[in-house]
Amino acid sequence: DAGVIQSPRHEVTEMGQEVTLRCKPISGHDYLFWYRQTMMRGLELLIYFNNNVPIDDSGMPEDRFSAKMPNASFSTLKIQPSEPRDSAVYFCASSLRHSSTDTQYFGPGTRLTVL
Amino acid sequence: GENVEQHPSTLSVQEGDSAVIKCTYSDSASNYFPWYKQELGKRPQLIIDIRSNVGEKKDQRIAVTLNKTAKHFSLHITETQPEDSAVYFCAAPKGQLTFGSGTQLTVLP
Repeated sequence: DAGVIQSPRHEVTEMGQEVTLRCKPISGHDYLFWYRQTMMRGLELLIYFNNNVPIDDSGMPEDRFSAKMPNASFSTLKIQPSEPRDSAVYFCASSLRHSSTDTQYFGPGTRLTVL
Repeated sequence: GENVEQHPSTLSVQEGDSAVIKCTYSDSASNYFPWYKQELGKRPQLIIDIRSNVGEKKDQRIAVTLNKTAKHFSLHITETQPEDSAVYFCAAPKGQLTFGSGTQLTVLP
């Protein structure tokens, strides 16, 4: 298996632009997680899905952020409009079962820079 | 969610010495405690985990101990090597996994 796949690996955009990050989880994994990592706030869970259904989006910072999972093999995290404070590394992760009992496998991350 | 505290935030050791990182959690119902290693510019990767039915688990130079009564667990790395230099995260679940703030380990040659 190729593991969790994320694209793009790097994104540089200007403030106000829409940004879409993409993730393909490991095949057969029922759970998908989106994290944001910054020096100041560490690794923050933004949202997670179970069987393509959003379960907890309490970590989403504000309405500018949205996430979808149209099918078991694809998810997107969208920021519209983007702001400089959104600059961070965004990780997608997946697990076979609930993370309270199972390993999460992380993708390589997308490094987002908003100018 | 789960409150996970991790200490120290930075740790420097001489090559060959041991390193210990500690985490505490708040939910007594938690029963799965993974440790992740993140090298510079890379993704977090699981290095070892422990479940609440055991007190210690070892994998070569890495070990994790769990004290459920005190609600803390620790990562032990023996005979440290330069490639052990990385950020280490503990995690504990309540609902979803909550990560500690990370420990930057530097192994000095």
